[in-house]
Amino acid sequence: ETGVTQSPTHLIKTRGQQVTLRCSSQSGHNTVSWYQQALGQGPQFIFQYYREEENGRGNFPPRFSGLQFPNYSSELNVNALELDDSALYLCASSPGGGLNTDTQYFGPGTRLTVL
Amino acid sequence: RKEVEQDPGPFNVPEGATVAFNCTYSNSASQSFFWYRQDCRKEPKLLMSVYSSGNEDGRFTAQLNRASQYISLLIRDSKLSDSATYLCVVRGNYGQNFVFGPGTRLSVLP
Repeated sequence: ETGVTQSPTHLIKTRGQQVTLRCSSQSGHNTVSWYQQALGQGPQFIFQYYREEENGRGNFPPRFSGLQFPNYSSELNVNALELDDSALYLCASSPGGGLNTDTQYFGPGTRLTVL
Repeated sequence: RKEVEQDPGPFNVPEGATVAFNCTYSNSASQSFFWYRQDCRKEPKLLMSVYSSGNEDGRFTAQLNRASQYISLLIRDSKLSDSATYLCVVRGNYGQNFVFGPGTRLSVLP
């Protein structure tokens, strides 16, 4: 196991609602990246947090936002949910260096279904 | 054109077969390359990094051709437990994020 945990494991929401997903990084890791993986596709980079600041963002709209806390755990918030937001949301932690690190460990993911 | 493309799959092979996966990337400035494995409904896990000189880890061999912007993964003597989706991952220069390909699904049959 990687030591990266995510909650909840599954979630069902309706269109227009808001959702918060949580990630606890591996001990000693100060960088957390979030990915969205739609069915049958590879993970798509949403953004990364390094020492509590956003440190890179993929091609996702502003309704996807995040936070990182002093203990390096992180939240992903999605507002105004759309049907296409249904996906597996993965977080990955890295042992420092922000985007300049080649090592990342994934959590088990949160499966979000938007009805 | 997608940044990272892979063989569409799925690949269905018998136990003991040799199977090769191909991946191409569009960003010529890419610096780091990886193969990840993802089991059904699980998270991706690093299988191996890919170096310019090529590298081998047991039954797995990865090759990188920077001139052709091409990465390959060869699996010899396939086992049932190799059944998974194999994701090609590329990373650009410093400060750039990881870009995943769509994955190629492998089923090793008894």
